[in-house]
Amino acid sequence: GQQLNQSPQSMFIQEGEDVSMNCTSSSIFNTWLWYKQDPGEGPVLLIALYKAGELTSNGRLTAQFGITRKDSFLNISASIPSDVGIYFCAGLASGTYKYIFGTGTRLKVLA
Amino acid sequence: DAGVTQSPTHLIKTRGQQVTLRCSPKSGHDTVSWYQQALGQGPQFIFQYYEEEERQRGNFPDRFSGHQFPNYSSELNVNALLLGDSALYLCASSGDSRLRKQYFGPGTRLTVT
Repeated sequence: GQQLNQSPQSMFIQEGEDVSMNCTSSSIFNTWLWYKQDPGEGPVLLIALYKAGELTSNGRLTAQFGITRKDSFLNISASIPSDVGIYFCAGLASGTYKYIFGTGTRLKVLA
Repeated sequence: DAGVTQSPTHLIKTRGQQVTLRCSPKSGHDTVSWYQQALGQGPQFIFQYYEEEERQRGNFPDRFSGHQFPNYSSELNVNALLLGDSALYLCASSGDSRLRKQYFGPGTRLTVT
């Protein structure tokens, strides 16, 4: 099935470092959602974005809706061990109810 | 305030059998979407139910069917199970159509042997 491209695919970082990841699409979206998923559990909604250029924060997390409407970015500042998990982006095009998910970025934090 | 709940948590079935998975949406939500997540992949949209009707369907065969009840809870049925149907099945609920946020349940892990 169709999936959005997320990069990096995985990353190891030191505790306290900042993390950046992105999600790209060939289609234009009018909504971006970012989720975190722990093994064997359902994804947890982190941030929702609705307008091109929008910048939204949730604690140490900041996400941006790309100005082309074909990409989105997630930053995590001062990472901690509990940030470990898989981060998924999901995009929704106008006139549809079907979210398309990314391939995921697996984050591993070294204490 | 209860979140999205799903049952059962785990299920093991044999090829050719049929399975029914259940989902109760978050309080105040009226829309339920079902997703299939294979190991190492992102969730794939199966279909969405609103006002007891299938509103949109993803690229899944008609062996996958669903239902939504008047209390907004939903069922996902899969007939003639294949080994490739083994996956985590996720239910997501949403309420305010302007915000378009979807909240997921814990999932049902289906293993087909």
